[in-house]
Order: sequence, then structure tokens, then C-alpha cells
Amino acid sequence: AQSVTQPDIHITVSEGASLELRCNYSYGATPYLFWYVQSPGQGLQLLLKYFSGDTLVQGIKGFEAEFKRSQSSFNLRKPSVHWSDAAEYFCAVGAQAGTALIFGKGTTLSVSS
Amino acid sequence: NAGVMQNPRHLVRRRGQEARLRCSPMKGHSHVYWYRQLPEEGLKFMVYLQKENIIDESGMPKERFSAEFPKEGPSILRIQQVVRGDSAAYFCASSLTSGRAANEQFFGPGTRLTVL
Repeated sequence: AQSVTQPDIHITVSEGASLELRCNYSYGATPYLFWYVQSPGQGLQLLLKYFSGDTLVQGIKGFEAEFKRSQSSFNLRKPSVHWSDAAEYFCAVGAQAGTALIFGKGTTLSVSS
Repeated sequence: NAGVMQNPRHLVRRRGQEARLRCSPMKGHSHVYWYRQLPEEGLKFMVYLQKENIIDESGMPKERFSAEFPKEGPSILRIQQVVRGDSAAYFCASSLTSGRAANEQFFGPGTRLTVL
């Protein structure tokens, strides 16, 4: 069955520290992978996406993610977290155009000063 | 360049009433997707529509829920005879018609439905 697993429900990171959010997927076809961020009461904003090519992708707000086919993972990273990064982060997988995205349950990021 | 628009942002209904949620896709987008987010859950796909056609409704509950995307006007998600379990945030997303970029879905701010 197709699925996305985000093992960490809640993570707290000190401001200025590095961050890694984990995402594992199970998908029969060649996956298209996405990370979205959701602030409280808001919609989802796309951080970055992977379709093909270079397995390290850069996104907005200083985020990057690395696709590792052998581990079925697409972990999100940021070298130095800012207080404004506190939000909920969703990993999603899809296929060709016109197919639904499958989301993980999300990881809530808290940033401590 | 306006993004995906959804209204209302908040909707309160009593059990048994009808809820109508509207979504206007981004300019140039003709694919619309509806997702539901329950508390502490990720988004779950409900239905995928193109103009005047339902392409995939595999995530829609069999009863009380319907969706349309007419030739003119916004897409509508309709929930009849709402129950408390329908309380959730409903998100609409849109994408381009074709090409690799069509894989990317742009999300609206959502409609938060509360059923009393």
C-alpha cells in the first residue's frame, strides 16, 4: 500500500541549531516528493519538491531535502533554525499529474530560544 | 496573481444542515483537488475534478458528500445533513493542466467546518 511515514510527531529545536525532519515513503511508481509547511490556521505552502535529477534539492526559506531511493527517504534539513520556522511540516508523495497526493501525518516543530 | 481562493474560511453548521464549500483555482489551472484534514492527522484526498468532470472520487464518502467544478465559477464541495464527524479543515488545491509542473499542487487557505 502507498503510504508516507513521518516518525516524529513533535520536535523541539533551539534557535540557531540544525534541523532534520524524517520522511519515509512506500510507493509503487516513481515518486514525486514534496515538503509542505503549515502555520496554525493557514493553508499549506510548498517548501520544495523532487521530480528527478539531482537528489539534493533546495527549497525556500533555506530548507533542503535529500532523496535516497535505497532508503525510501526524503528527509528535510535546515542548517540553522529561526523562531519563525515553528510550524507543522508535511511530507507528501505523488505520481504523474492528476493524481492525489498522499500525505504523512505531519511533524510539529517548536523552536526554543 | 491571486492564489487558490476558498470561502468561507470558517463555517459553523448544526447537525442535519448542509455545508457548501467553494474553491476558485489559480488562474490558468483547470485541475482541482479536495482534501480533508482531521485533527492531528495529515491531509486525506477526497476528490479530483477537471472542468465539468469528476476524474477521481475514490476518497469521497459514499453518502452525503458531492463535488462539482462547473464550466463557469468555482468548484463546490457539498456536504448534506452534516454530522459532528464532518468537523474538519477542508483544503482545495489546484494544478496546471499538463506538463511536469502539473504535478505541483497549490493549496488554498482552507475552510474550517465546525458542526455543532
